[in-house]
Parts: sequence; C-alpha cells; structure tokens
Amino acid sequence: GAGVSQSPSNKVTEKGKDVELRCDPISGHTALYWYRQSLGQGLEFLIYFQGNSAPDKSGLPSDRFSAERTGGSVSTLTIQRTQQEDSAVYLCASSRRNPSSGQAETQYFGPGTRLLVL
Amino acid sequence: GDSVTQMEGPVTLSEEAFLTINCTYTATGYPSLFWYVQYPGEGLQLLLKATKADDKGSNKGFEATYRKETTSFHLEKGSVQVSDSAVYFCALLKAAGNKLTFGGGTRVLVKP
Repeated sequence: GAGVSQSPSNKVTEKGKDVELRCDPISGHTALYWYRQSLGQGLEFLIYFQGNSAPDKSGLPSDRFSAERTGGSVSTLTIQRTQQEDSAVYLCASSRRNPSSGQAETQYFGPGTRLLVL
Repeated sequence: GDSVTQMEGPVTLSEEAFLTINCTYTATGYPSLFWYVQYPGEGLQLLLKATKADDKGSNKGFEATYRKETTSFHLEKGSVQVSDSAVYFCALLKAAGNKLTFGGGTRVLVKP
C-alpha cells in the first residue's frame, strides 16, 4: 500500500516568508507526527496528533510553528516568518494505535521536505 | 529526561566486514527500542525493533538485542555490503508514550 507522502519535497524561501508543508499519512493510521532533522540538533519531535484528541505540541520550538490536521487525515505544518535556523528536513510519520493498550505502534516515515531559508 | 546515545561516525568498513553500532538509552520504565536506517537521498525506514527485555529484532541480516541490564540495543551485522552504506538511528518509545527519542545517528560507509 501507499506510504506516507509529503509535499513539497524541497522548498526554498526567503527569510520572513511563511511556508506550509503537507503530510498525507498511511490510510487507517490515526496517529500522525512531525519531526525535524537538522545538522545541529539531530532528529527532534515537533508535534503529535491522535484522532480527535488535543495535539501534543510540546516539541514546537516557537510560536511561529503551528500544525493542524483536518478530517483526521492530512496535516499541514506552518512556519511563519521563517528564519535561517528553520532550515532543516521536516519529517512526517504515522502509526496505528493499539486499541487495547493505547500504545502507539511502529511509526512509518515519509520522505521529508527539505526546507532552505535564505 | 529520556535520551539515546549512539557511537559517532563515520564508520568506514570494507565489504564483508563485521559491523557493530553501539546504542545505549536512558528512560524510565520499559521502552520499545528501534533502529531506523536512512539511505542516501531517502527517508527514514524502520530496520528492526524490540519491545521488551531480551527480545531480538532482526532484518536484512541485521540484529539487535534489547538488554535491560545494560540499557543497550547494539546493532550488528556479520557481513556488510556496499548497499548497507547509510545513516543508522537508534530510537526509543516509552510505554504509553507517543514520540520517538532518537540518537544522533551513525554514518556507515562500506567500501568495495
């Protein structure tokens, strides 16, 4: 079946502009995650969505970052007033959730969006 | 807080050599442990996982055993190929947790 897809694959923007990154999870996966992969910080968790529950935003680095998930499927990560330090690869992942334990199951990653802020 | 420490690379090997990448973790409770691999130009792929102590995950000739006593999950492969050149990430997921905590990644280069 289809994996996690992300768009665009690459994005170059000017400092101060807003960007939107899109993630389409695996069909049937109720949990969706955003991570960031940067040279200085490695792989960092940003935000987590599970069904209709309030998202876990604990990893968002500043209030310039926000994300939404409409209809329990597609998610958009928005970065406002981009800064050069936002340059990174933004990874989306999705997983099922064990209905008995509530435990998130294995996370499957998309190919990422490489963001470059000039 | 939770953390994962893995050996820094790059690790350079000849084809058919033995590969081991050390990974240790700090976490309360009984996390699940994972190895992800990122081939050049590609996204993260799950390589193997283990969900409880003494479990052994294996895939594509790679193995890792969940060692609770040493809080380790070292990755091994007996005979590497050029196609194994990639960056390998060790990660943990806490029980009832949601987010993966990753190590810094280890770049492996296999030369023919």
